[in-house]
Amino acid sequence: SQKIEQNSEALNIQEGKTATLTCNYTNYSPAYLQWYRQDPGRGPVFLLLIRENEKEKRKERLKVTFDTTLKQSLFHITASQPADSATYLCSEGAAGNKLTFGGGTRVLVKP
Amino acid sequence: DAGVTQSPTHLIKTRGQHVTLRCSPISGHKSVSWYQQVLGQGPQFIFQYYEKEERGRGNFPDRFSARQFPNYSSELNVNALLLGDSALYLCASSLARVGTEAFFGQGTRLTVV
Repeated sequence: SQKIEQNSEALNIQEGKTATLTCNYTNYSPAYLQWYRQDPGRGPVFLLLIRENEKEKRKERLKVTFDTTLKQSLFHITASQPADSATYLCSEGAAGNKLTFGGGTRVLVKP
Repeated sequence: DAGVTQSPTHLIKTRGQHVTLRCSPISGHKSVSWYQQVLGQGPQFIFQYYEKEERGRGNFPDRFSARQFPNYSSELNVNALLLGDSALYLCASSLARVGTEAFFGQGTRLTVV
């Protein structure tokens, strides 16, 4: 079965720098990957979706890439701000249901 | 527009008891999925319902069950609670169309003592 793996170590980054998070999948290439943000004690909030045949997707300061050769997606937050501090979840799923999530990566942006 | 609403927000139960969690999806969404999130981990898929029928089930014991009502709201039931069932239970609704995302509720924090 598919496993979605994210770096469990927290990412500490200085304000203004670019945060880069990694999501690896172990089995077949997912048709879609979705990225969510989760604040403590809250439900995840959707950020970006990327299709298998898309190399890159952008939304404001966020960018996600999909590399089927490396079985990997990268998530970038440019010009990071303290308000970007949260846990970021990578998931496989085409239609917003039956999502398979990774363990999430916590990001802490220091002023 | 109201988002996905879940009730209750917090719940404390004793081992062996039964619990019912409730979820109201976004208006127009016919798909509801349930997830369990243990502290420090990502959400784990439990069930998906679409048009009142079960369309997917994760790797959870039969103590877990769910249903969806004609108005598309949903209940998750857990019998014979164990300490390990303590978690944040998340409900998500979606349009269930390819290329669309999930909308999550704030979750129900269940503590089993």
